[in-house]
Amino acid sequence: DIQMTQSPSSVSASVGDRVTITCRASQDVSTWLAWYQQQPGTAPKLLISAASSLQSGVPSRFSGSGSGTEFTLTISSLQPEDFATYFCLQSKSFPRTFGQGTKVEIK
Amino acid sequence: QMQLVQSGAEVKKPGASVEVSCKTSGFPFSEFHMHWVRQAPGQGLEWMGWISPNTGDTSYAQKFQGRVVMTRDTSISTFYMELSSLESDDSAIYYCARDSGPAYGGTFDIWGQGTVVAVSS
Repeated sequence: DIQMTQSPSSVSASVGDRVTITCRASQDVSTWLAWYQQQPGTAPKLLISAASSLQSGVPSRFSGSGSGTEFTLTISSLQPEDFATYFCLQSKSFPRTFGQGTKVEIK
Repeated sequence: QMQLVQSGAEVKKPGASVEVSCKTSGFPFSEFHMHWVRQAPGQGLEWMGWISPNTGDTSYAQKFQGRVVMTRDTSISTFYMELSSLESDDSAIYYCARDSGPAYGGTFDIWGQGTVVAVSS
């Protein structure tokens, strides 16, 4: 199974800050990597697919990069609605595996 | 509007089975595989398996082999996930999630609202 390791597990930041979250895969997943945002009590929401493709309707302050085994989600200027938990997901092979999540909290 | 609507919350006793449904609308049922994912309280996301809408072929995570069955009813555009021999560790929110297909990264692009399953004696 491909292990997905996310870091940090939590980050405290202020509105307007730049936030970077990293996801490392234990094997090459090419660009079969997606990022999700989850607000408390709701289902995950797809932000970025194929490592860097922003989903329709997702603000441009979100961006994704990387390939192979190392990936990054960047929020360029944190907004109040961005305080949430973020997950990565690899879809290169079965079983599909998720990162353990990064909670973005208000500083 | 593309959406997945899941069945309501369930409370089960240890050893029982639970079935969660996922009704699709707004897109061609036969064109998208469906995954099932669960999330224990305060925990991360765990993939359980997927099913083909056309053939009914399934692939399950090894952890759930022998205990999970995924099916679909094409006449009502609905998927089902049945988990048996429930234990307290199975208490979680269960989600269905549509596979976007390989042209769009093969990821989970639409999610159901989640179904809470509580296992308690």
